[in-house]
Amino acid sequence: GAVVSQHPSRVICKSGTSVKIECRSLDFQATTMFWYRQFPKQSLMLMATSNEGSKATYEQGVEKDKFLINHASLTLSTLTVTSAHPEDSSFYICSARFKPGLAGGGETQYFGPGTRLLVL
Amino acid sequence: EDQVTQSPEALRLQEGESSSLNCSYTVSGLRGLFWYRQDPGKGPEFLFTLYSAGEEKEKERLKATLTKKESFLHITAPKPEDSATYLCAVRHSNDYKLSFGAGTTVTVRA
Repeated sequence: GAVVSQHPSRVICKSGTSVKIECRSLDFQATTMFWYRQFPKQSLMLMATSNEGSKATYEQGVEKDKFLINHASLTLSTLTVTSAHPEDSSFYICSARFKPGLAGGGETQYFGPGTRLLVL
Repeated sequence: EDQVTQSPEALRLQEGESSSLNCSYTVSGLRGLFWYRQDPGKGPEFLFTLYSAGEEKEKERLKATLTKKESFLHITAPKPEDSATYLCAVRHSNDYKLSFGAGTTVTVRA
């Protein structure tokens, strides 16, 4: 249980284009999904918190117009990198936590496999 | 401001050579300390959650302990497949956000 998937696993795009990354919880309903980015040999940096049916909350320094987050259902959140530039190249990882009340749920974030973005 | 510091940055072990990783933290109102394992190019894999000082959790060759200021991840008789980066994270008091440490990269040689 507690499987989170991401699609695509890697994407290469040209500078100026937009890229959409999907994050799905496969076997549970996720009240909250989180989006992180990770640079080589660095730890995870939280970008935003996404709750189903409401606007995402962005961390300080993260441009909400550049990183659009949509949490359309309890099993799907999407991150769109708009007008991507080479400095946006990174490893993007999502996580999800269980809907409160489910056995074993609530506290732990389960992570997806990540999406490698390369902007040329 | 919450801080999570992991040491050492890197650890090279011989197969069977037990060792410990440290995670020290300063956070107002700890609501959970989490250990994850991350393999290169993959997302973190959940290992343990600890909530209160004195708590211990075990899984195969791994054992996590918690005090009021730090947590240890003990690796007993490691095998090459235990090679990975181990991440420590703390949950903030009023929300479900996690603050991650920089990780300890463990390499176990056969």
